[in-house]
Amino acid sequence: GAGVSQSPRYKVAKRGQDVALRCDPISGHVSLFWYQQALGQGPEFLTYFQNEAQLDKSGLPSDRFFAERPEGSVSTLKIQRTQQEDSAVYLCASTIRQGSYEQYFGPGTRLTVT
Amino acid sequence: SQQGEEDPQALSIQEGENATMNCSYKTSINNLQWYRQNSGRGLVHLILIRSNEREKHSGRLRVTLDTSKKSSSLLITASRAADTASYFCATDMSGGSQGNLIFGKGTKLSVKP
Repeated sequence: GAGVSQSPRYKVAKRGQDVALRCDPISGHVSLFWYQQALGQGPEFLTYFQNEAQLDKSGLPSDRFFAERPEGSVSTLKIQRTQQEDSAVYLCASTIRQGSYEQYFGPGTRLTVT
Repeated sequence: SQQGEEDPQALSIQEGENATMNCSYKTSINNLQWYRQNSGRGLVHLILIRSNEREKHSGRLRVTLDTSKKSSSLLITASRAADTASYFCATDMSGGSQGNLIFGKGTKLSVKP
């Protein structure tokens, strides 16, 4: 594909429901990042993958958050037992290789927990 | 927590004027990047400046970096209505090898036609 895609674009969940957010990075990109962006704020780092290995999950706010990238391409961010404070836009980004490079972002998934 | 602070938080100018946004950060960096975010769309990379560079140009964009003051500025010359967006600086910490970015809170730029 031409860019990073994410689905769904919008998700409304009742408090306590589980959600799964999908990211399709640019084909061949090694590094994949998840960020959380609250309203009116800048994105905050959640977790990082190099190929299928999750090398950093220091930004995940609680053990309700789980991410995977089993085949080194598509990634899924799962949030269990959603809470209202989980409402945010979840952004996925990829880079061609590990290190300090420009990141290509998807359009994000806007999660609203009611 | 967020590393950077953009200044001003909001900026409103007329088409054709220049817009200057500033960013301060806290720790040593490998590089600093600027991104633009339009309403309802993802972040788009604008420019990357490495810690050993002082100034960089790209089209109507000019970025400066002062590592002694831990600050950067983004200048957009001859602004257009299409430049209306939020602008974020993002840093990649020195010594880090992953590339995960630390963003500021952003400057909301409004360019009136």
